[in-house]
Amino acid sequence: DARVTQTPRHKVTEMGQEVTMRCQPILGHNTVFWYRQTMMQGLELLAYFRNRAPLDDSGMPKDRFSAEMPDATLATLKIQPSEPRDSAVYFCASGYRGLDTDTQYFGPGTRLTVL
Amino acid sequence: GNSVTQMEGPVTLSEEAFLTINCTYTATGYPSLFWYVQYPGEGLQLLLKATKADDKGSNKGFEATYRKETTSFHLEKGSVQVSDSAVYFCALSEGAQKLVFGQGTRLTINP
Repeated sequence: DARVTQTPRHKVTEMGQEVTMRCQPILGHNTVFWYRQTMMQGLELLAYFRNRAPLDDSGMPKDRFSAEMPDATLATLKIQPSEPRDSAVYFCASGYRGLDTDTQYFGPGTRLTVL
Repeated sequence: GNSVTQMEGPVTLSEEAFLTINCTYTATGYPSLFWYVQYPGEGLQLLLKATKADDKGSNKGFEATYRKETTSFHLEKGSVQVSDSAVYFCALSEGAQKLVFGQGTRLTINP
């Protein structure tokens, strides 16, 4: 049963610290999405990649957030420096462009708390 | 731009009641439509989808029909269970695999 995995599942950190969240997409998927979920804003798309290249990161605060795909099996989302308003659940999702084109498969999320 | 509007929650029902969660959309072109479900502490899971007008998506007793004339994709289930308690998200595809999500509707089923 192929799944998207995310680590860590929970992270508590202090304001100003660097936070790195990792995602392993489903093997063979060529598109990866990063979302942020909060009570106030709901589900927001931060960035997405296809074939490891960034396609759209317009939803991401550029001054402190960065997203990369070092290889096809790993996507990272980094916040530096973190702020209390970054507290949220961050989801990674993957999909395959070309077959079942629009369906996204979500990971369990990383719950981030910035004190 | 494209958008999805869901009925506001929370929705509370008794077990075996009939469920409808309304979803309407605004889009250019002919998007695919989706319902995702999020159980407590988990990520979103695809519940069902429909790719063209008049298609009916169905899964686990849930159904939704793509209505182009009313730009709607309402989620229905004939008899809900306590285990259906979750947050339900309606979404449309915006091309290039991007999805636009509604704000979510929290459903609670009481025994």
